[in-house]
Formats: sequence, C-alpha cells, structure tokens
Amino acid sequence: NAGVTQTPKFQVLKTGQSMTLQCAQDMNHEYMSWYRQDPGMGLRLIHYSVGAGITDQGEVPNGYNVSRSTTEDFPLRLLSAAPSQTSVYFCASRSRQWGSYEQYFGPGTRLTVT
Amino acid sequence: SQQGEEDPQALSIQEGENATMNCSYKTSINNLQWYRQNSGRGLVHLILIRSNEREKHSGRLRVTLDTSKKSSSLLITASRAADTASYFCATDYSGNTPLVFGKGTRLSVIA
Repeated sequence: NAGVTQTPKFQVLKTGQSMTLQCAQDMNHEYMSWYRQDPGMGLRLIHYSVGAGITDQGEVPNGYNVSRSTTEDFPLRLLSAAPSQTSVYFCASRSRQWGSYEQYFGPGTRLTVT
Repeated sequence: SQQGEEDPQALSIQEGENATMNCSYKTSINNLQWYRQNSGRGLVHLILIRSNEREKHSGRLRVTLDTSKKSSSLLITASRAADTASYFCATDYSGNTPLVFGKGTRLSVIA
C-alpha cells in the first residue's frame, strides 16, 4: 500500500493564482481531511469528508474548496491564492470502522504564495 | 477553537532522561491520540487511549488520561537522540469527527 500520497511536494504561486493540491489514499478509508500547519499554530482543519459526495467545513475553510467524487481522492482547491495561505498542507485519512481511530497522514505539500 | 494545548511548547533533555509532555482539552472525548512529527515530515500515530482508560503503555511510551481534569500526559522513558521531534495530542470527540490537534511540543534529545 502507498498509504496517503500528496502532490506536489512543493509549490510557489503568485497572489491571485489558483491551483489544486492532490491527495489520494489506497486504504479504502471513508474519512479524509485537509489540515494546514503554520509555525506556532499546530494543525488546523480546513475541510473534511466522511465519504464520497459528502464534505464539510473545518476551522479555517475560507479560500479553499474541496470535492469528493471517489473514495480514493480528495483534492483541495485554492481559488485565488493569498500570501496568508503560505503554509504546509497535510492530507489525512482514517477508517470508519469502530475502533479504527488512527489517522494516516500524507507527506505534505509546502506552499509559498508571493 | 476546540484546539487542545500541549505543555511545554519546547523541551530539551539529555539522552537517557525521561520526557513528559502534557495535553489539555476542552470538551468530552471518545479517545485521545498522540502523534509524532519529524522535521519536514507528516505525522505518525504513536498511541491511542480511550475515554474509559486511565493509562496505556507501548514500548517506551506511557500515556495517562484524566477525564475529570480534561488532560493527558505522554511519557517517553530512556529517551534517545532519535526521539527528537514534535509531539502532538489529538482529541477525537465522537469517533466520527475529524481529529482536533494541539499546537505540539518540540522535544530535543541531546546525545
């Protein structure tokens, strides 16, 4: 199993540009989430999904869009990049099975917005 | 924000010493988890403790949970330089909602 994969690893955008951060998992996990990590702020939840076709907002959703058309993929779209979105982005997944609460993380995407 | 808080923010110890990190949270939980993050990497799950458990062990890790105080602690015994990393607690409120992470403790173990 590849686990949770994210692309790209690094990205530089200019203010106003849009882009999509890709996330895929091959563990058949129902739950998927996007977090951003900023120095001194820990991980903050952007959006999450409990299954294909179902998404919901987290703590810091503004400026981001998500969709979940398949169980495997959960892309994160930046609509119009701003310097405040400079961060490291992590995708995570976990099973819905009772007792399987462990969350698996991707390696992250480091995004810089100039 | 429902974010938990770890304490201390940073900890520096000598190899062989024990390291203790604390986590406080705000509302009732289903379980609490600890994760480790090496510099520049994703988070890796270490250990989970359920709300009806008070203590759990895994190798050199010991986790305690006090639901009356809404707090948890992670003890790493006989620390090694390879334990140098950031450690995060994450609270799971229902088992069906996303994990809420604290801000982390940066542990440095000096050889």
